[in-house]
Amino acid sequence: GAVVSQHPSRVICKSGTSVKIECRSLDFQATTMFWYRQFPKQSLMLMATSNEGSKATYEQGVEKDKFLINHASLTLSTLTVTSAHPEDSSFYICSARDRTAFGYTFGSGTRLTVV
Amino acid sequence: AQSVTQPDIHITVSEGASLELRCNYSYGATPYLFWYVQSPGQGLQLLLKYFSGDTLVQGIKGFEAEFKRSQSSFNLRKPSVHWSDAAEYFCAVGAQGNKLVFGAGTILRVKS
Repeated sequence: GAVVSQHPSRVICKSGTSVKIECRSLDFQATTMFWYRQFPKQSLMLMATSNEGSKATYEQGVEKDKFLINHASLTLSTLTVTSAHPEDSSFYICSARDRTAFGYTFGSGTRLTVV
Repeated sequence: AQSVTQPDIHITVSEGASLELRCNYSYGATPYLFWYVQSPGQGLQLLLKYFSGDTLVQGIKGFEAEFKRSQSSFNLRKPSVHWSDAAEYFCAVGAQGNKLVFGAGTILRVKS
């Protein structure tokens, strides 16, 4: 079945630095990828939708200059948290939509801790 | 706007007992509905999905769900719960722009 690889699984960074999270579809082409944020004991909140070769669409309240999303190919999307602060600490999950079917495959998530 | 309601935050069942997790949705068109399971610190695994056709959908791990348009519901069921089913379960609806809208989740605890 469809597999999405997300790296890193855990990252600790210092306040003020930037962190890049990668999301790859391994065996299918993903024209659309989604980035979610999940706080402890809460549901997934969609941050942005990225389409290959175009700018990402951000949800209301999400700072696009802080959360940079790049979707340069049909198999790779990246989320860069710029100038990270402790309040950015969270669990980030990507999801890829298979262009041949109405299905969504999720990555295993990235636990970001900003100290 | 699309929305999903999972009224039960926590559910505890005994191992071997039956399970039903509730999900109600609000969506103007024919919904695409999903159930996912998440173990702590992990991503989401698809249990089953409904697009059209037979309203009783079979999924992995012995789960099934029934789409009831009249009740705007898509409840998840399992006839006999195993300890390994303890996790958090999310119901989601495919919304405008192809993005998924998730419910708040239901944490399932299984007691032996």
